[in-house]
Amino acid sequence: GQNIDQPTEMTATEGAIVQINCTYQTSGFNGLFWYQQHAGEAPTFLSYNVLDGLEEKGRFSSFLSRSKGYSYLLLKELQMKDSASYLCAVLNQAGTALIFGKGTTLSVSS
Amino acid sequence: ETGVTQTPRHLVMGMTNKKSLKCEQHLGHNAMYWYKQSAKKPLELMFVYSLEERVENNSVPSRFSPECPNSSHLFLHLHTLQPEDSALYLCASSQDGSGSSYEQYFGPGTRLTVT
Repeated sequence: GQNIDQPTEMTATEGAIVQINCTYQTSGFNGLFWYQQHAGEAPTFLSYNVLDGLEEKGRFSSFLSRSKGYSYLLLKELQMKDSASYLCAVLNQAGTALIFGKGTTLSVSS
Repeated sequence: ETGVTQTPRHLVMGMTNKKSLKCEQHLGHNAMYWYKQSAKKPLELMFVYSLEERVENNSVPSRFSPECPNSSHLFLHLHTLQPEDSALYLCASSQDGSGSSYEQYFGPGTRLTVT
């Protein structure tokens, strides 16, 4: 079966660091994506990991451990505009489909 | 603006109506997707088209009928829907290939309400 787990909600304050975890159990794996979705808007791409390790892109970093079926998204120097839903998604073996988790709603307060 | 447009943005329809959702991508991509997003549920993949051929059909009821006349356009034809079909319908596109070219660009979605 396919199962992707991530926390439902998280809260943090401006300027802080937050880590959003994602664990997955899927029948195939061809990479893991993180997307950001603001309320009422389309999801937008944040990161893609296919090899183990950390990928850094500005204030956002994403980590993958394939042996543990685990990823996290790290957000530094949080800003109010980072309040959004963060979606973890696994690409299937054929590369034809993304399997999404339910998303983590992050609320950043001042 | 992601280069993927969807019309209409909002749609209210009765259970006996027939309507169509339209998606257009201006990115030169080869693959297009329909997703359903309901409250408190994960994004659910419905259909995948690659080079205008359907490659994935995730057990979607026949009241949803996709059409991909060319690599830039994707339609979702709707008929005799149920209230539980009310959701946000998202279209996405990607460039076939390996690695991060699987990145999908999403349209703004159509908010569908079935009465």
